[in-house]
Amino acid sequence: DSGVTQTPKHLITATGQRVTLRCSPRSGDLSVYWYQQSLDQGLQFLIQYYNGEERAKGNILERFSAQQFPDLHSELNLSSLELGDSALYFCASSEGGRQGKGNTEAFFGQGTRLTVV
Amino acid sequence: GQQVMQIPQYQHVQEGEDFTTYCNSSTTLSNIQWYKQRPGGHPVFLIQLVKSGEVKKQKRLTFQFGEAKKNSSLHITATQTTDVGTYFCAGRVRKTGNQFYFGTGTSLTVIP
Repeated sequence: DSGVTQTPKHLITATGQRVTLRCSPRSGDLSVYWYQQSLDQGLQFLIQYYNGEERAKGNILERFSAQQFPDLHSELNLSSLELGDSALYFCASSEGGRQGKGNTEAFFGQGTRLTVV
Repeated sequence: GQQVMQIPQYQHVQEGEDFTTYCNSSTTLSNIQWYKQRPGGHPVFLIQLVKSGEVKKQKRLTFQFGEAKKNSSLHITATQTTDVGTYFCAGRVRKTGNQFYFGTGTSLTVIP
């Protein structure tokens, strides 16, 4: 158990809909990362938050947004869903992440498998 | 843009054979991490390399960081069926805010 909790584990929804994925980081970790993993694909970095602030953006679509709350949990919002958005979405957390300070070993959650039909 | 490539993409080996995956970056990395993802699982941190030319060992696994800090390798000696999974490198680039860029991964199949 990595200590990172993601909910829900599975999500099936229709095209055009909006969903919210939730992530609770390990206790004490300030950084939260979101990754998308399509079938047999690598990990595509979407976005990182550090202590409530957006730290870095990767290949995140405009239809997607995220935030990190004062209690450090994070949510990834996916809207106007398309069939191609079907993927495994991972959240990871690490102790550090800002200007190289703190341990940057990332602990991954079990992922949310999103299926858009 | 920043790219971290891994080769091979897939590797099938007989149990007992050795296995190596290579990670190459287009830019100099400040450090590199390796992760393993079992089928149906999530990536799990294996190790971090920081120094140029660094070599670290974990039992049958040997990790190397290149002198130029642009490449890395993971070598597994005498593979076992428990080694099955996808191995990812993740390179950290200081000039892009210390972001980690995951490699494309190498999927290892071990044939008993």
